[in-house]
Amino acid sequence: DGGITQSPKYLFRKEGQNVTLSCEQNLNHDAMYWYRQDPGQGLRLIYYSQIVNDFQKGDIAEGYSVSREKKESFPLTVTSAQKNPTAFYLCASRRTGLLTEAFFGQGTRLTVV
Amino acid sequence: SQQGEEDPQALSIQEGENATMNCSYKTSINNLQWYRQNSGRGLVHLILIRSNEREKHSGRLRVTLDTSKKSSSLLITASRAADTASYFCATDGNQFYFGTGTSLTVIP
Repeated sequence: DGGITQSPKYLFRKEGQNVTLSCEQNLNHDAMYWYRQDPGQGLRLIYYSQIVNDFQKGDIAEGYSVSREKKESFPLTVTSAQKNPTAFYLCASRRTGLLTEAFFGQGTRLTVV
Repeated sequence: SQQGEEDPQALSIQEGENATMNCSYKTSINNLQWYRQNSGRGLVHLILIRSNEREKHSGRLRVTLDTSKKSSSLLITASRAADTASYFCATDGNQFYFGTGTSLTVIP
């Protein structure tokens, strides 16, 4: 089945540690996105990529890093520089161009302990 | 931030009633989309309206768009308990931004 997969579903991290969230899609989409969701604040854009080997910062990129070495994969690293990383992280992908809908993974809930 | 805003933040209605939620945004857009999110899950696309359209229907969904006011509304008619979820608008311009969401509860 075609889709977008995030792993793991739940992730616990100790303060000061970096952690990488996985996002893989087999929809042949060029564009991929990472969002952070906190209660009552909706989705905030962290990073996005419209083509392999290129990505752009969103509104809240500080403390995060990404790579886009393959079309199918867009991993997000939450670094120790992110002061409040506990949140629900959502990855999405879509075809480039106008009038295209986004497909979302099921999310990763990251908790700092 | 380019994030849009939705109101109300929360809405509780009886089954069978209509639910209306509104979205305001800041940037120029190519189109506006609405998504649904069940608790703790990813978002699912509902409907897309182009910037040159004023109204669009899909089943029990009706979306309006007023680009002069930079606003959109989503109407769900004859609501069902299964419609309970959060609803988000997304603006599609140079980037792809989501609103703050409306949490809808439909009481059986």
